[in-house]
Amino acid sequence: DQQVKQNSPSLSVQEGRISILNCDYTNSMFDYFLWYKKYPAEGPTFLISISSIKDKNEDGRFTVFLNKSAKHLSLHIVPSQPGDSAVYFCAATTQGGSEKLVFGKGMKLTVNP
Amino acid sequence: GAGVSQSPSNKVTEKGKDVELRCDPISGHTALYWYRQRLGQGLEFLIYFQGNSAPDKSGLPSDRFSAERTGESVSTLTIQRTQQEDSAVYLCASPKGLALSTDTQYFGPGTRLTVL
Repeated sequence: DQQVKQNSPSLSVQEGRISILNCDYTNSMFDYFLWYKKYPAEGPTFLISISSIKDKNEDGRFTVFLNKSAKHLSLHIVPSQPGDSAVYFCAATTQGGSEKLVFGKGMKLTVNP
Repeated sequence: GAGVSQSPSNKVTEKGKDVELRCDPISGHTALYWYRQRLGQGLEFLIYFQGNSAPDKSGLPSDRFSAERTGESVSTLTIQRTQQEDSAVYLCASPKGLALSTDTQYFGPGTRLTVL
């Protein structure tokens, strides 16, 4: 049973436009959420995170929104750049204990010049 | 080194053979995680180390999988009698500091295991 779901396998946007990546989760115990970016043949790279006590976190061109009642989060990239082309993973965890990350299947973002 | 390193980067083995995968975490980090990513899937948690002990082994898929860590540094993931479904990229991660996931986990480049 997938606890973290990224329902769209891919997204293609034009350079300069907004990219919106969505993620849904089912486990109400999750209280910390992260986005990772992954290039081929490399490990995932941390991008941005958000605690469940917040509904928005911004870092430069990247903003993550959390809607706890809907168990939904999204990553906005504005403006999108060709270098943002990668696979993006949504991950969630429960603080305390092992804090293992539960990942979605990932979504491939392509930003066209 | 400055980051997490893993070896080998690629491993091709025959079904039934044993393999060992190595992770060198960021120096001084006490926590270490192993994950794997099978084709078309997200990363799956395997095991978590705090120091040399493994308080959470809940992700190990079978008793053919084991891991150890010595000296709060290097960790080895061993898969015995490999099966084709073990084919995946095996990733190691360690937090930036002493805190756990809220301090983000930094990943190594992974070992791509192919079982023929």
